[in-house]
Amino acid sequence: GQQLNQSPQSMFIQEGEDVSMNCTSSSIFNTWLWYKQDPGEGPVLLIALYKAGELTSNGRLTAQFGITRKDSFLNISASIPSDVGIYFCAGQETGTASKLTFGTGTRLQVTL
Amino acid sequence: DAGVTQSPTHLIKTRGQQVTLRCSPISGHKSVSWYQQVLGQGPQFIFQYYEKEERGRGNFPDRFSARQFPNYSSELNVNALLLGDSALYLCASSLGPSRGTDTQYFGPGTRLTVL
Repeated sequence: GQQLNQSPQSMFIQEGEDVSMNCTSSSIFNTWLWYKQDPGEGPVLLIALYKAGELTSNGRLTAQFGITRKDSFLNISASIPSDVGIYFCAGQETGTASKLTFGTGTRLQVTL
Repeated sequence: DAGVTQSPTHLIKTRGQQVTLRCSPISGHKSVSWYQQVLGQGPQFIFQYYEKEERGRGNFPDRFSARQFPNYSSELNVNALLLGDSALYLCASSLGPSRGTDTQYFGPGTRLTVL
């Protein structure tokens, strides 16, 4: 099935560093969402973006909805050990159904 | 408030068997979507149900079916299990696709292993 292109695939960072990851698509989406998933658990919603160009923050997290509607990025500032996990972007269609198309994931690992 | 609940948490089946997975959405939500997540990949859309009607279907064979009940809970059925059906099956709850933005919240998933 289709997956969005997400980069980087994985990253090691030191505690306190800032992190950036992005997601691109060949299709236009009306909503972009970012989820975090810990091993063996379901994805947890971090940020939802509903308008092209929108910049939204949630604590140390900031995300933007690209102007072209085909991309989004997520920044995490001052990373801490509990930021470890897999981050997924997801584009959402609207209409009769509102299915999510997920990215390939970014695995974040933090070293002390 | 309770979040999305799924049962069972883990399940082991053999090839050719049938399985039923269950999901209860967040109170007040009328839509349930099902996703399959194989190891190392992002979730893939299987179905969306809203007000007991199928609203969307992903690229999955007819062995996969689902239904939604009057209380908005849902079941996902998979027949004639294959080894490749081994995955984490996720249920997502939302207000519904006709309500403008339709933010989806996920349950913890059911881990299915097919031997």
